[in-house]
Amino acid sequence: NAGVTQTPKFQVLKTGQSMTLQCAQDMNHEYMSWYRQDPGMGLRLIHYSVGAGITDQGEVPNGYNVSRSTTEDFPLRLLSAAPSQTSVYFCASSYSSSPNQPQHFGDGTRLSIL
Amino acid sequence: GDSVTQMEGPVTLSEEAFLTINCTYTATGYPSLFWYVQYPGEGLQLLLKATKADDKGSNKGFEATYRKETTSFHLEKGSVQVSDSAVYFCALTPRPPGGYQKVTFGTGTKLQVIP
Repeated sequence: NAGVTQTPKFQVLKTGQSMTLQCAQDMNHEYMSWYRQDPGMGLRLIHYSVGAGITDQGEVPNGYNVSRSTTEDFPLRLLSAAPSQTSVYFCASSYSSSPNQPQHFGDGTRLSIL
Repeated sequence: GDSVTQMEGPVTLSEEAFLTINCTYTATGYPSLFWYVQYPGEGLQLLLKATKADDKGSNKGFEATYRKETTSFHLEKGSVQVSDSAVYFCALTPRPPGGYQKVTFGTGTKLQVIP
């Protein structure tokens, strides 16, 4: 079982470039989400999905797009990278959207925007 | 809105010392409470959870009790090891009627255990 797999692990972009962070899970989890982790701010929710074809915004959605065409995959797209998007990005999944379910995290993508 | 407040780090302890990391929360209703641990270069892993008042979560020698009256979920361990060095996050998941899971995390507390 691979769990939650994120690619790439590291990426450097120039301001204005676009890119897609990949996230895949093999646990047949309904719920998937993207967070960014910044020093002193914990994790902040960017977007989430409660199932294939359903997505919604989290706390800090501006500058990011998501889609959920399959249960397994939940890519995060940066439309036009800005230095403020330099961060560590984590994808997470859980069995359902029940509040008792813990989240399973990938190892993160470390993104630098120059 | 919901919030989680953790004690500022870093916390530095000697091996076999007693650990307490404070966590208090603000939420409507009865949230579920979690502690996650993050080792260097890795994602967060669930350490323990409690889903109702007075529940005690425990795992790997760590414990935390859901205290509704003080809105707290403090993490404790009787004897820390060097391998416990990591960042610890307190988190809550609310129970809005018909709502979806939106986890609120604290800012994390870095623990360093020295031999």
